[in-house]
Amino acid sequence: QVRLQESGPGLVKPSETLSLTCTVSGGSISNYYWSWIRQPPGKRLEWIGYIYYSGTTNYNPSVKSRVIISLDTSSNQSSLKLNSVTDADTAVYYCATGAAAPDNWGQGTLVTVSS
Amino acid sequence: EIVLTQSPDFQSVTPKEKVTITCRASQNIGSNLHWYQQKPGQSPKLLIKFASQSISGVPSRFSGSGSGTDFTLTINSLEAEDAATYYCLQSSSLPRTFGQGTKVEI
Repeated sequence: QVRLQESGPGLVKPSETLSLTCTVSGGSISNYYWSWIRQPPGKRLEWIGYIYYSGTTNYNPSVKSRVIISLDTSSNQSSLKLNSVTDADTAVYYCATGAAAPDNWGQGTLVTVSS
Repeated sequence: EIVLTQSPDFQSVTPKEKVTITCRASQNIGSNLHWYQQKPGQSPKLLIKFASQSISGVPSRFSGSGSGTDFTLTINSLEAEDAATYYCLQSSSLPRTFGQGTKVEI
């Protein structure tokens, strides 16, 4: 089974850029849709967007102007960059495979936006 | 954006009880509705895809039904390990959206 692991800074200052990486082990990053999903504390899950290995992306309009999802096939990683963060971006961030019904999720990483 | 509304928000149940959770979509989404289970401190786990399709490794007591705007997740003969929050997700259109969650307490 392909395993996913999110990593990145747990604390980001307001107005700065949140950068996370999803490292894939036990399989190739190719031939999958890679989704990013977040969950603010005590709130529902929110879909951020996805990328197909061909490079096609789709983003949630709520973050579209601030987000980039990319793939690095050489290092078998997917990356999420979210700029101009505010405290509303504080959440557990997950990467997952699949576009329609993501069926393989990483454990998630908590990112707190605070000065 | 399609809004998914789950009911109830919270349910307290006893082992072996039958549990029914509903998810209503703000517009017709066909069968593009999926169910997840999330336990505290864990990532969501896919239970049912496309309204009623079972997932390998998921106990048979979990089942799904519905189409269009009204969907149901049923847990037959609830077990203690089923204590969790359950979410629905629609993949009919972008952006993907989730329900607000139903917490099942045992």
